[in-house]
Amino acid sequence: GAVVSQHPSRVICKSGTSVKIECRSLDFQATTMFWYRQFPKQSLMLMATSNEGSKATYEQGVEKDKFLINHASLTLSTLTVTSAHPEDSSFYICSARGTVNSPLHFGNGTRLTVT
Amino acid sequence: GENVEQHPSTLSVQEGDSAVIKCTYSDSASNYFPWYKQELGKGPQLIIDIRSNVGEKKDQRIAVTLNKTAKHFSLHITETQPEDSAVYFCAASMGNFNKFYFGSGTKLNVKP
Repeated sequence: GAVVSQHPSRVICKSGTSVKIECRSLDFQATTMFWYRQFPKQSLMLMATSNEGSKATYEQGVEKDKFLINHASLTLSTLTVTSAHPEDSSFYICSARGTVNSPLHFGNGTRLTVT
Repeated sequence: GENVEQHPSTLSVQEGDSAVIKCTYSDSASNYFPWYKQELGKGPQLIIDIRSNVGEKKDQRIAVTLNKTAKHFSLHITETQPEDSAVYFCAASMGNFNKFYFGSGTKLNVKP
């Protein structure tokens, strides 16, 4: 149980274009989803927290107009990287939890390369 | 806010030996401590967790211990196998699990 599916696993896009990443909870309702960014050989950096039906809360230093997060349903959250630039190239990972006090489960990540 | 420190950053063991990874946290309000295993190119996978009302938890070859007084918790892997090779992250959370603070990760290499 507790499967989080993330798509795509890899995406290459040109500078200036936008990319959407989907995160789905397959067998539970995710009241809260988190989006992380991970640089090579580094830990997970929390970008934003989203609760279903409300606006995402962004961490300090994360541009909310660049990283658009939508959590329209209890099973789906999306991260859109707008006007992508090479420095946005990274590994993006979503995670989700169900009810309060339930464990956090991660998707398999999306490797974004901006050329 | 909470600060989680993890050691060592790399750990090499021989197959069959035990491996121990240690984490410390700063906020005594933290009450939930999960451990994740991340294989190359994949997302972290929850392998074991412990809540603050328990001192130790075991699941087959892996165990986690928690010392609330000293504010540290450890992951123990016994009879290590090559497939245990991965990066392991500890984390701490408090209250209603709205925020998780991750350690810097430990790269475990199990040599056959």
